[in-house]
Amino acid sequence: EVQLLESGGGLEQPGGSLRLSCAASGFTFSDYAMSWVRLAPGKGLEWVSSLSGGAIAAYYADAVKGRFTISRENSKDTLYLQMNSLRAEDTAIYYCAKDNNLAVTGYLDFGGQGTLVTVSS
Amino acid sequence: DIQMTQSPSSLSASVGDRVTITCRASQNIVRHLSWFQQKPGKAPKFLIYDASSLQSGVPSRFSGSGSGTDFTLTITSLQPEDFATYYCQQSYIVPYNFGQGTKLEIK
Repeated sequence: EVQLLESGGGLEQPGGSLRLSCAASGFTFSDYAMSWVRLAPGKGLEWVSSLSGGAIAAYYADAVKGRFTISRENSKDTLYLQMNSLRAEDTAIYYCAKDNNLAVTGYLDFGGQGTLVTVSS
Repeated sequence: DIQMTQSPSSLSASVGDRVTITCRASQNIVRHLSWFQQKPGKAPKFLIYDASSLQSGVPSRFSGSGSGTDFTLTITSLQPEDFATYYCQQSYIVPYNFGQGTKLEIK
């Protein structure tokens, strides 16, 4: 069973930084691309970023491009999202999701409860 | 970018009803379409991929159809646990946009 444990969220001021982590278990982490998706208060799901299994190909939504960086440490079965220059509109629950391929295909298999990021002064 | 439009935005139905939610893509996405269910405070649940393939463990009362730009999610014989928000998502090309969601409520 796919298990994903997101962590690292919290309250941060506008312009600040946070690093989210997603610890994976139940599958061979390095064999699969991974993604981040967020749910802002009162809004719908929004795809944020995806990274291939070998960390070669990374993709970002325009809303976060240049501010967020996705990375992974396959030896630790962990996915990261470095969030810089945070804005109020980044306030959301952030979920990680497993792809079904080494390459990014947009397949999203969620397995965790998410981590809440609040950006406010 | 490919825009995904769901209808209706909200829907009231009773236990035992059959409901259909539609999703339209702004351009041809072949069959690269997934459906998700989300309940308050819970992670999204992956229901259907490739327009009509049921994810493992998802009840057979859920089904998907469509290709190109027009897709549907059908739930036959609604159960109490099915009342939630449903999203479609295209996986044809980045950005992998979602529809705005359809809130399914108890009548």
